[in-house]
Amino acid sequence: AQSVSQHNHHVILSEAASLELGCNYSYGGTVNLFWYVQYPGQHLQLLLKYFSGDPLVKGIKGFEAEFIKSKFSFNLRKPSVQWSDTAEYFCAVSQGNQGGKLIFGQGTELSVKP
Amino acid sequence: DGGITQSPKYLFRKEGQNVTLSCEQNLNHDAMYWYRQDPGQGLRLIYYSQIVNDFQKGDIAEGYSVSREKKESFPLTVTSAQKNPTAFYLCASSFPRTGGADTEAFFGQGTRLTVV
Repeated sequence: AQSVSQHNHHVILSEAASLELGCNYSYGGTVNLFWYVQYPGQHLQLLLKYFSGDPLVKGIKGFEAEFIKSKFSFNLRKPSVQWSDTAEYFCAVSQGNQGGKLIFGQGTELSVKP
Repeated sequence: DGGITQSPKYLFRKEGQNVTLSCEQNLNHDAMYWYRQDPGQGLRLIYYSQIVNDFQKGDIAEGYSVSREKKESFPLTVTSAQKNPTAFYLCASSFPRTGGADTEAFFGQGTRLTVV
């Protein structure tokens, strides 16, 4: 069965530190890749997405992710985090032409200390 | 403003009662989805519908039912057969891109259901 694995359950960083959240998936076919963020008390929002093309994807709020097909990975990065980045981050995968039918990772809770 | 509206935001029910969660979208999206979120487990797909009058089971459909009579609406009923109904429920919708491939999902604010 397809699955998505996020490496860290809870990450604690100080402001200005660099961030990398790992995401690996198990599926050999065509995939669409997403990172969603859930700020406290808010709805799930799309950070960035990959359907095809350049494997380095830039999203909102300075986030980026790199799709490495050979490693089945789609890691999320940000060079310098802010306190406002405190949230839960979800990696998700869909297959082929079904972008909304998602398999999610367990989520990573990010806490940024001011 | 376009978006997805879920109501109510909080819902309490007694064990053994069925309860229906509302989801309405005005984005003109064809596809709609219901996910369940539990702490430490991410989101899991309950049911989805790619077109009016048609829907399919997701990974955890047991104890749930849906209908899709209108493009805008996709209500979810949590039945008494669902063994652990207390959870956060999220509705989403998406729209096919040119060429038939689907776009990303847009999510509602969610309904937190507590069964006592």
